[in-house]
Order: sequence, then structure tokens, then C-alpha cells
Amino acid sequence: DGGITQSPKYLFRKEGQNVTLSCEQNLNHDAMYWYRQDPGQGLRLIYYSQIVNDFQKGDIAEGYSVSREKKESFPLTVTSAQKNPTAFYLCASSIYSQVLIDEQFFGPGTRLTVL
Amino acid sequence: QKEVEQNSGPLSVPEGAIASLNCTYSDRVSQSFFWYRQYSGKSPELIMSIYSNGDKEDGRFTAQLNKASQYVSLLIRDSQPSDSATYLCAVNEYSSASKIIFGSGTRLSIRP
Repeated sequence: DGGITQSPKYLFRKEGQNVTLSCEQNLNHDAMYWYRQDPGQGLRLIYYSQIVNDFQKGDIAEGYSVSREKKESFPLTVTSAQKNPTAFYLCASSIYSQVLIDEQFFGPGTRLTVL
Repeated sequence: QKEVEQNSGPLSVPEGAIASLNCTYSDRVSQSFFWYRQYSGKSPELIMSIYSNGDKEDGRFTAQLNKASQYVSLLIRDSQPSDSATYLCAVNEYSSASKIIFGSGTRLSIRP
């Protein structure tokens, strides 16, 4: 089955701790994205990557870091510098086209809670 | 700052009726438009994409795009209780390749 997987489903973080959220896709998509969703709000873009070994900051990148060493994988690290990390984190992927913005498909999400 | 606006709802529609969801956007040169459905506690699921002015139909769903008015809508015919969810409108940011801006969503409730 082709799709996007995220792990873990639930994650608890202590104050001052870094945590890493996993995102893997086997859709052969070039572009991958990380979003954050807070209750009752839309999605806000954290980071995105159009090709391997390259990524760009989104609208709320402060306190987060990413890597894109493989096409299939785009892990997100929530650092201790992110002061309010409790949220629902969503990973997405799409075909990268310079002509049109292609449809993004989402993984099941990781719910992060700060203790 | 590019924006995508939706009425937060809740929009309550009787079972079997047509549900109409609306969205306006600020970037006049946007070219790609999407509707996602999100059940409570779950991730968004793509329902429709539309790129040209006019209507696009897929089963019970019809997306309508009017670029002159910067307006996109989603109609759901023969509404079912399973359609109860939050519907997110998303629009590409033309100046920044690959970026999509999401609205905050409209909560739809189908009453039996």
C-alpha cells in the first residue's frame, strides 16, 4: 500500500527536551511538508522540502528543525526553543511541479503534548 | 500576508439537503484550489481540486471557482450524517512555489 506514515501517534515531551517526529512516504513524491494545527485552527506551515538535501522555512519555523537526507523521509525535530509545542503535527507530500501546485496528501498525524 | 477566509460555522444542514461551503482568498494570481475534509482528531483528506473557472463535479461533490471574484465553493448534494466534519479550503501562494495556505475551516453538521 502506498501512503504516508507518521510516528509516534502520541508523544509526550518534558520541558527542555528535544523530540523528533518521523514522517515516511512511499508515494515517490518529491515534495514533503510539515504543518502544525492548533485546536479550532487551520494548518500552519513549519518547513517544506522540494528535493533531497534542500528545505525551506515556512511561516512558523522558529524552534523547529528538519532534514531531508532521503526522498522518502522528512523528520521534524521540536527543540526546547519552541515554547508552546503542544499541537497536532501533520506531514504531507506531493509531486513537485513548477507549473501547478499539486495536491498534498497527509499522514495520520502526531499529537504532541508538553508535560 | 496572503489569506484564505472561511466561515467557521457550525453549518447545520438536514440530511438529504445540499450543503454549501464558501471560501474567499486574497491572492489574485492563485491558480490551484483544494477542498479537504477533516474528521475530529484525524488528518485532512483531499476531496476536490480545481484549477479552472467554473464547476467540477465528482460524485455528490461539486467545486465551483470564480477567479474574478476570488471565490471558491464546495457543494455537497444529498448530505449524509457521515459528511459531518470540518471542511478546509486551501489555495496556493503563487509567489512561493509549492506553498498552500489553508483556511481555518467550516464545521458542517448534518442533522438526521
